[in-house]
Amino acid sequence: AQSVSQHNHHVILSEAASLELGCNYSYGGTVNLFWYVQYPGQHLQLLLKYFSGDPLVKGIKGFEAEFIKSKFSFNLRKPSVQWSDTAEYFCAVNAGRGSTLGRLYFGRGTQLTVWP
Amino acid sequence: NAGVMQNPRHLVRRRGQEARLRCSPMKGHSHVYWYRQLPEEGLKFMVYLQKENIIDESGMPKERFSAEFPKEGPSILRIQQVVRGDSAAYFCASSPPSFQETQYFGPGTRLLVL
Repeated sequence: AQSVSQHNHHVILSEAASLELGCNYSYGGTVNLFWYVQYPGQHLQLLLKYFSGDPLVKGIKGFEAEFIKSKFSFNLRKPSVQWSDTAEYFCAVNAGRGSTLGRLYFGRGTQLTVWP
Repeated sequence: NAGVMQNPRHLVRRRGQEARLRCSPMKGHSHVYWYRQLPEEGLKFMVYLQKENIIDESGMPKERFSAEFPKEGPSILRIQQVVRGDSAAYFCASSPPSFQETQYFGPGTRLLVL
């Protein structure tokens, strides 16, 4: 079965610090990759996604992620975080084909707290 | 364009009662997914439905849980004879009819079983 690992459960940063959240998955075939964000009291929103093409993907609010196929990784980055980035971040993977088509596998989530 | 709607947002049930969770997908979306999030865990897939069809229910517990997405009306996730372990956040997502499309999530229903 597929699995998704997010290594950092809680990250605390000061404003303007750089951010990198790790995400690794276990699946050898074609994958679609996503990062979702959940702000306090709100629902999950899509930050960015990778289906194919350029492995460096840019999303909303200055976030980007890089797909490294050889490392089965899809790390999320932002050069300078803001207090408003405080939220929980989820990495998710979807198999590109097969019996689990449609199903998203989620990591446990990383709670990011940014101090002003 | 309204997003994915879920109701109720919070639901309290006593052990043994039934819980019904509703999900209205975004306009134009014909695929619905249900996920469950237990405390301190990520979202776990439960079931994938299209109108009047269950496509994949391999993530659903074998007993007490059922889901439907009728031709008219919202998708329903039904939990019979709830137990304390069913306390969780239940999220619904919808997508257009293509497996490569993004899933858009609703606000979730927080179920508390007393």
